[in-house]
Amino acid sequence: EIVMTQSPATLSVSPGERATLSCRASQSVSSTLAWYQQRPGQPPRLLIYGTSTRATGIPARFSGIGSGTEFNLTISSLQSEDFAVYFCQQYSSWPPVTFGPGTKVDIK
Amino acid sequence: QVHLVQSGGEMTKPGASVKVSCQTSGYNFMMYDISWVRQAPGQGLEWMGWISPYNGDTKYSQKLQGRVTVTTDTSTSTVYMELRSLRSDDTAVYYCVRSGTYYNLYFDSWGQGTLVTVSS
Repeated sequence: EIVMTQSPATLSVSPGERATLSCRASQSVSSTLAWYQQRPGQPPRLLIYGTSTRATGIPARFSGIGSGTEFNLTISSLQSEDFAVYFCQQYSSWPPVTFGPGTKVDIK
Repeated sequence: QVHLVQSGGEMTKPGASVKVSCQTSGYNFMMYDISWVRQAPGQGLEWMGWISPYNGDTKYSQKLQGRVTVTTDTSTSTVYMELRSLRSDDTAVYYCVRSGTYYNLYFDSWGQGTLVTVSS
């Protein structure tokens, strides 16, 4: 099973600032990496798939980069609605599909 | 517009079973796969299992193998997830999620979630 880790666990950022979230896989997942955003009380929402492709309707301030075992999600200028928990997920080798434990982005 | 609408919350006892439904609409049911993902209170996301409505193939988490079954009713475009021998640590919100092909198991649409509470 591929184990996903994320850092930091919590990221405190001021509105308008840039945020960079990291995700690491225990073995290479090539580019089969997705990112999700979860706001309180809501299901997760797909942001990025294939490491860097934004899902339908996702603003350009969200971008993804990486390959192999190291991946980043960057939010270029945080808006109020971006304060949420972010999960990465690998779908290279399954079952099982595995998720990271999440990074909470909160207001500084 | 794609919709995945799940059945309502359930409260049940240890040792019992629960069956959650996921009614889909707005797309060709046979062309997209469905997985189930759960989230314990305040915790992360755990993938449980997958089904291809096209041919009925299934795959399950080894952790839950033997306790979980995912089925479809193609006549109503509905997917079901049954979890048996429930324990207190099965208390979670259960989501049905849509994905593309077998090699693209990222989840582009999510149901609203069904809270299953297991308590004596």
